[in-house]
Order: sequence, then structure tokens, then C-alpha cells
Amino acid sequence: DAKTTQPPSMDCAEGRAANLPCNHSTISGNEYVYWYRQIHSQGPQYIIHGLKNNETNEMASLIITEDRKSSTLILPHATLRDTAVYYCIVPNSNSGYALNFGKGTSLLVTP
Amino acid sequence: SAVISQKPSRDICQRGTSLTIQCQVDSQVTMMFWYRQQPGQSLTLIATANQGSEATYESGFVIDKFPISRPNLTFSTLTVSNMSPEDSSIYLCSVATGPLGQDTQYFGPGTRLTVL
Repeated sequence: DAKTTQPPSMDCAEGRAANLPCNHSTISGNEYVYWYRQIHSQGPQYIIHGLKNNETNEMASLIITEDRKSSTLILPHATLRDTAVYYCIVPNSNSGYALNFGKGTSLLVTP
Repeated sequence: SAVISQKPSRDICQRGTSLTIQCQVDSQVTMMFWYRQQPGQSLTLIATANQGSEATYESGFVIDKFPISRPNLTFSTLTVSNMSPEDSSIYLCSVATGPLGQDTQYFGPGTRLTVL
């Protein structure tokens, strides 16, 4: 997998936007960026993915830089239930497109 | 999306015994994977379960310890053999839908295993 780098932890106040950064400077042209999260003791939950263009769904927005070397996951109005570990992953064919979970960013949403 | 169920949801086992974990998907899927999450750690891929052929194991995992079956496109099993306390982990099944590299993986709820 293309190596990704994320801050180990972040805090966000409830109701504010949470912006989670990820660096993936070795990403190849045809590799997608995926975001998952894991709430304590649950299976990982898919959030969003993208290739070049910014993406938005009911959960979040994904902003990918023009050079594709970094991206930001945005939770527009964070709630306490968004407290989780967030993983930025770039799977590739060498790993059979399996997901390589790094350490992720532990997001704490506070009241 | 895909709905995935795992059985059992949790178990407490004795050292030296084996446990088989089942993963059932509500639709046919291209790829199925098994992951392990040790206490306080991130997820680690064990193997890719291939339909109709032997599973593909990641470095550090072997078939004798973690035999896998995938008899069809909606079901797979992972056996944790000759268990030791170090095998205490959450074991997760995931499935991929869509073209490889563009697909989305969905995860089951996990099986929490404690080995005494």
C-alpha cells in the first residue's frame, strides 16, 4: 500500500467541523484514497473514498489535493458519536487490494 | 453495501483447543478477507479467502494455524487452531464489492476471542 501518515490524535468540539488530514505522497495515479473509522469494540465502518475529485456523502466530505499527495476528511458537524479512530488507507494491487490499517487518528469529540 | 454476520460474537476458550468462526454475507461478493485485531492494536490482515481454492496468507500467518474455507461466494470460515493466550483478539471478516481497487470493503461485527 502507499504509505499514509496521520496525526495520532485530535480533539474537536461538538457541533464544529472536524478536519482530519492524511499524507499519501507515494500514491500512484490509479490508487484510491479510502477512509474508515472504528468506534470502540466495533468493526471498522466505511466512510468515503475518492480518486481525484472531492467527494461528499451523508457522512463526510473528502478533499483531495490536486497533486493527490494529501487529503482531508471533513466531518461537518461533529457529534459525540463521531469519537472513533479514523483510518486513511490507500490500497493497491500488490496487496490484492486488501486494506492496510495503520495507527489512524484517534478523534475525541468533546461536549 | 453488504450485510455481514459473524458467529460466534464472542467466546472464551481453553488453551490447546480450536475455534471455527463463521462469516456470512447477504449477497455474493468477489473478495473476502480475515483480519485480526489484538488488544490495543490496529487491524492486521490474516489472509484472503479465495472461493474454490486455497486462501492466500500474509506474512506471519500460516494455514496450519489459521485454516480458512470459502465454499461459495457468500460464506467463509476461519479456524484458530491449537489456541494460546496470545491468540486472544478480535477476528474480523470483511468483504469487497465492486471492481478491485475501486471497491468498498465492509466489515463484520467481529468475534471477540479470549484464550485462557
